[in-house]
Amino acid sequence: AQSVTQLGSHVSVSEGALVLLRCNYSSSVPPYLFWYVQYPNQGLQLLLKYTSAATLVKGINGFEAEFKKSETSFHLTKPSAHMSDAAEYFCAVSGNFGNEKLTFGTGTRLTIIP
Amino acid sequence: SAVISQKPSRDICQRGTSLTIQCQVDSQVTMMFWYRQQPGQSLTLIATANQGSEATYESGFVIDKFPISRPNLTFSTLTVSNMSPEDSSIYLCSVEGRGSNEQYFGPGTRLTVT
Repeated sequence: AQSVTQLGSHVSVSEGALVLLRCNYSSSVPPYLFWYVQYPNQGLQLLLKYTSAATLVKGINGFEAEFKKSETSFHLTKPSAHMSDAAEYFCAVSGNFGNEKLTFGTGTRLTIIP
Repeated sequence: SAVISQKPSRDICQRGTSLTIQCQVDSQVTMMFWYRQQPGQSLTLIATANQGSEATYESGFVIDKFPISRPNLTFSTLTVSNMSPEDSSIYLCSVEGRGSNEQYFGPGTRLTVT
């Protein structure tokens, strides 16, 4: 079974500051890991994914995440926050076999302070 | 990535009635998923719908309450039956991506039951 824990339901950063959203996973098999973003009144958009290739994964909109097996973490970062980054962010995990369902974390709401 | 549309985008319904939500994809996909996102919460998988077979429901969700149809490889419907205020949620459909268990999401249907 797989699960993810997102630390911090709300994160606020100043515009131009570093964004760090935390995600720790638990998995009985090598995991696939995902970050999704949900803008207000919209569906979820895939930001990036880890599928056992490079441990540092680059995604859209300047976001990246690093898979650290020793820490069972997959934290999302962006060097410089932009006002348009304000949204809800979800970490998700699945097993590394095909046709496996995603398990989502509880989400982190990111607020950008002008 | 696939382009997914949902109808209706939102609705306000009376308790005891039923609402059918449609999900249309611009390409053929084997697996489609239906999720519920209750206010301020994460996504919970309701069921997985494969074309040509009965939907597979997650624990806590039953076919009588959430019947699903999957008549072809580009379309699915979810019905929320005998609604109560507790069914007020965003309902999202998603489809499998190209490998790695990633999913692409529709914009969601925002349901309010009064």
